[in-house]
Amino acid sequence: EDQVTQSPEALRLQEGESSSLNCSYTVSGLRGLFWYRQDPGKGPEFLFTLYSAGEEKEKERLKATLTKKESFLHITAPKPEDSATYLCAVQAPLSGNQFYFGTGTSLTVIP
Amino acid sequence: ETGVTQTPRHLVMGMTNKKSLKCEQHLGHNAMYWYKQSAKKPLELMFVYNFKEQTENNSVPSRFSPECPNSSHLFLHLHTLQPEDSALYLCASSRGGLPSQETQYFGPGTRLLVL
Repeated sequence: EDQVTQSPEALRLQEGESSSLNCSYTVSGLRGLFWYRQDPGKGPEFLFTLYSAGEEKEKERLKATLTKKESFLHITAPKPEDSATYLCAVQAPLSGNQFYFGTGTSLTVIP
Repeated sequence: ETGVTQTPRHLVMGMTNKKSLKCEQHLGHNAMYWYKQSAKKPLELMFVYNFKEQTENNSVPSRFSPECPNSSHLFLHLHTLQPEDSALYLCASSRGGLPSQETQYFGPGTRLLVL
C-alpha cells in the first residue's frame, strides 16, 4: 500500500539553528514529490516539486532533496516567520490524479 | 494569493441543513480537487474533476455531492452532515489533462463546523 511518512511530527528550533525535515515514501514508482507549507487556518502553499532521485531545489532558506526512498527539506538559519506546518505529498504513476499526503511536520522557530 | 478562491471561509451548519461550498480558480487550469483536512490526519482526497469530468470519487458518503459546471468553478453541496464531517475543506487546481507531473495549487479552505 502506498504510504507517505513525515518526521518528526513537531520540531522546535532556535532562530538560526539549521535542521532537516524528512519525508519517506513507499509508493510503487514516483511521478513527483511535492513540498507545501501550511500556516494555521490557511491552505497549503506550494514550495517545490522534485521528480527524480538526486534532484535538488532551493528557495531562500529552504532546500529540498530527493532520493529513491525519501526527501529532505533542509532549513538553513531559520527565522520565526518560517514557523508553519510543512507537508509532503507524492504522486504515483498508477494512481492517475491521486496524491498521497503525509501528516506534516509542525515547525516552530523561537526568536 | 494562489489564484484559487473559496467561499465561504467559515461555515456553521446543523445536521439538517443544506449548504454549498464554492471554489473558483483563475489559473487557466483544467483539473480541480476537493480535499478534507482533519486534525492529525493526512489530507484526504474526496473528488477530482478533469475537464469537467469526474475522474476520482474516493468512497465519499453521498451526503457530499460535487458539481463542476466548468473548468474554473467547483462546488461541494452538503446535506444532512454529521458532526464528524467538521473539518477544513480545501479546493485545489492543477493543469490537468493526461496524468502527468502535476503541481496542485490550493485555496484558503472553508472551515466547516457541524453541530
